[in-house]
Amino acid sequence: DAGVTQSPTHLIKTRGQQVTLRCSPKSGHDTVSWYQQALGQGPQFIFQYYEEEERQRGNFPDRFSGHQFPNYSSELNVNALWLGDSALYLCASSLMRTGGVETQYFGPGTRLLVL
Amino acid sequence: KQEVTQIPAALSVPEGENLVLNCSFTDSAIYNLQWFRQDPGKGLTSLLLIQSSQREQTSGRLNASLDKSSGRSTLYIAASQPGDSATYLCAVGGGSEKLVFGKGTKLTVNP
Repeated sequence: DAGVTQSPTHLIKTRGQQVTLRCSPKSGHDTVSWYQQALGQGPQFIFQYYEEEERQRGNFPDRFSGHQFPNYSSELNVNALWLGDSALYLCASSLMRTGGVETQYFGPGTRLLVL
Repeated sequence: KQEVTQIPAALSVPEGENLVLNCSFTDSAIYNLQWFRQDPGKGLTSLLLIQSSQREQTSGRLNASLDKSSGRSTLYIAASQPGDSATYLCAVGGGSEKLVFGKGTKLTVNP
């Protein structure tokens, strides 16, 4: 059973460029959340996708956008990159249930460096 | 706004010692609390999940407790080993709801 996978593992971009990160959820999961983890900090929630729509959003600017595909995989897009976007980007998948709680499973992350 | 604090920020202990990591949160209306382990440059590994209705969970040498009324959780590690060296993160929220993380406790277990 494949866990959460993310690509690429590492990425180097320059200021002003755009980047797309990809995530495939754990088999059987339908919800994908994205987190940004700066060095020495805990992960910060960016947004969550369910049924191909953004369900929740954290305190991140519109430069951060996403998409979920019919197969539940997801992309995170960041436009107009600046130095402060350098971080580890984590994807987490879970199963949406009414009134229930499920643990989130995290992928290995994509390390983004903006120069 | 939920805020999560972890104390201490770093901890260094000799091998074999029992230790406690602390996590506090400001809003007691949580669905669950999770403890994660993160190795340098890696993703997160879930260690223990405590539902809001539970008081503790155990897995091997790990025991996590939850006191919602006081907004506190502890992670107890028994008989620590060098392989336990990592950053331990506490997160509150719930399943499909967003997780709010603390900054973590960096644990070093010295042989």
